[in-house]
Amino acid sequence: EPEVTQTPSHQVTQMGQEVILRCVPISNHLYFYWYRQILGQKVEFLVSFYNNEISEKSEIFDDQFSVERPDGSNFTLKIRSTKLEDSAMYFCASSKNTGGSGNTIYFGEGSWLTVV
Amino acid sequence: GESVGLHLPTLSVQEGDNSIINCAYSNSASDYFIWYKQESGKGPQFIIDIRSNMDKRQGQRVTVLLNKTVKHLSLQIAATQPGDSAVYFCAENMEYGNKLVFGAGTILRVKS
Repeated sequence: EPEVTQTPSHQVTQMGQEVILRCVPISNHLYFYWYRQILGQKVEFLVSFYNNEISEKSEIFDDQFSVERPDGSNFTLKIRSTKLEDSAMYFCASSKNTGGSGNTIYFGEGSWLTVV
Repeated sequence: GESVGLHLPTLSVQEGDNSIINCAYSNSASDYFIWYKQESGKGPQFIIDIRSNMDKRQGQRVTVLLNKTVKHLSLQIAATQPGDSAVYFCAENMEYGNKLVFGAGTILRVKS
């Protein structure tokens, strides 16, 4: 079964450093997403991406964050100048079309980011 | 504003019993609802979804009920098994939207 894959599974970084989280969405999907889950809390939407541009973003997704599809298979989330409160599990997701009925959003296993 | 919330943070059931997990939502404009299962250390896994023009949808051992009048969603799991132990999230979306709003999650513990 096709799946969304993410790397790294866990990354520890020092405060102020830049981090890039990588994702390979399901191959025939056109919509890509990043979500975040702080430990013990609910999953929060960060950003959606379609046709090489951001289609929607949340208040969390400020200038510290950026996304990119550098080639035909990868989708990345860059976090500049990381802060302690950026520590969370970051989930990449993808869907064939807009995420309504019949266009299930599939999630990867997550990248756990620890900022120290 | 938009919000999705759960009534019960933890649900413990005996193996073989049926489980019911509840969710309340407040955005009456939402028209597509999804249940996800999240096992420890893993990403949310799609279970079942329902559109707002339906009030019930059945899958394999799972049933989702939607009551738009009171903005309530539930997930019923028949003959609960130890492998069903996980955190269950409801999420809402617009029919052609691309932003899921997740609830807080309910922990389901299945006792053998």
